[in-house]
Amino acid sequence: QKEVEQNSGPLSVPEGAIASLNCTYSDRGSQSFFWYRQYSGKSPELIMFIYSNGDKEDGRFTAQLNKASQYVSLLIRDSQPSDSATYLCAVNTYNTDKLIFGTGTRLQVFP
Amino acid sequence: ETGVTQTPRHLVMGMTNKKSLKCEQHLGHNAMYWYKQSAKKPLELMFVYSLEERVENNSVPSRFSPECPNSSHLFLHLHTLQPEDSALYLCASSQDIGLTYNEQFFGPGTRLTVL
Repeated sequence: QKEVEQNSGPLSVPEGAIASLNCTYSDRGSQSFFWYRQYSGKSPELIMFIYSNGDKEDGRFTAQLNKASQYVSLLIRDSQPSDSATYLCAVNTYNTDKLIFGTGTRLQVFP
Repeated sequence: ETGVTQTPRHLVMGMTNKKSLKCEQHLGHNAMYWYKQSAKKPLELMFVYSLEERVENNSVPSRFSPECPNSSHLFLHLHTLQPEDSALYLCASSQDIGLTYNEQFFGPGTRLTVL
């Protein structure tokens, strides 16, 4: 079983819709969860992090964490073509320095 | 310069060459990382340094040799690489290690091609 799993996509949504990206993880000791966005040919950039169960909102982005079910999701409201990128989920366990990444989900927002 | 910088941005080398990748962070961070990103595979952590001391070596072949002379600079020395080593090599830094929330800032990467 992969440590961090994401659907590779592509996930295609129309402009203005809600994009929902999901990630599951295998280590129950995982403490912190990160969503990175990576444009083609560029390096990853952090857009959200979460470490408590529930929702965390930042502008058009909402991260949702459910530790019992071992999943974390990212919702993007009012999706824009500029949101088209690969979204990487990353997980780390408390007091380790290892970020475990998923393979990423490619999001395409069409006008 | 701001953030994390990497040079060169692109590198083509033969299997018998020796080359080095350079990373510099301008964020005052204490921890630095090397990652490998291959197509269709997750980012793979290679090495972690904290205050110039290596704290993680993730079963990386010895043809990759890291060096961290100070907390701002990180090198990856390459020798006798294989074609399967062709990938994007990313450097990252973070405030420290062992933090619950440990945001890592990535450099632009070096696209390496081994012929």
